[in-house]
Amino acid sequence: GQNIDQPTEMTATEGAIVQINCTYQTSGFNGLFWYQQHAGEAPTFLSYNVLDGLEEKGRFSSFLSRSKGYSYLLLKELQMKDSASYLCAVRDRENNNAGNMLTFGGGTRLMVKP
Amino acid sequence: IAGITQAPTSQILAAGRRMTLRCTQDMRHNAMYWYRQDLGLGLRLIHYSNTAGTTGKGEVPDGYSVSRANTDDFPLTLASAVPSQTSVYFCASSEQGLGNEQFFGPGTRLTVL
Repeated sequence: GQNIDQPTEMTATEGAIVQINCTYQTSGFNGLFWYQQHAGEAPTFLSYNVLDGLEEKGRFSSFLSRSKGYSYLLLKELQMKDSASYLCAVRDRENNNAGNMLTFGGGTRLMVKP
Repeated sequence: IAGITQAPTSQILAAGRRMTLRCTQDMRHNAMYWYRQDLGLGLRLIHYSNTAGTTGKGEVPDGYSVSRANTDDFPLTLASAVPSQTSVYFCASSEQGLGNEQFFGPGTRLTVL
């Protein structure tokens, strides 16, 4: 089985930097995804990590440490439109007959204030 | 190109009724998925399909069934709806293979009374 933990809520100020953490326990880690979900909308893909290290994509970066079962999503130069939920999802090599089946954490609701 | 669509957008349903949620994608993705999203519980996988003609059970399959007659369509059926099935339902699709992200439909908000 898998256990994925994220903070429920975070608040940050426009223009600042925020780090959203995700810890996971899985028997056969095979990749970690971050998704953004605005209220009332569908999740949209942000990043994918399968090897240790930092993946940078514009204002967003995602980091992975497989040995620690830990990832974070870093958002720089926060904008009001970044107010959304951020979902961490893990793919497990075991129990994954679909090959790309994901288990999601509960999500972190980020509120950006002026 | 629409991507992935779902219907209806929302529905209020009496308990005990049968309901089919529709999902169609035009990206020719092999894999498709159905999730439900409830406050505090995140997205939970109901059923999935690797390719047309095959389906599998996810984390919370009880009370739901799916079929995959072709690549594009992946309907989800509630045979006899119960109030605990009140939720937002998302359909998703992806290419097979490592690292391929899932693309989500706009969701169906279902209320069972």
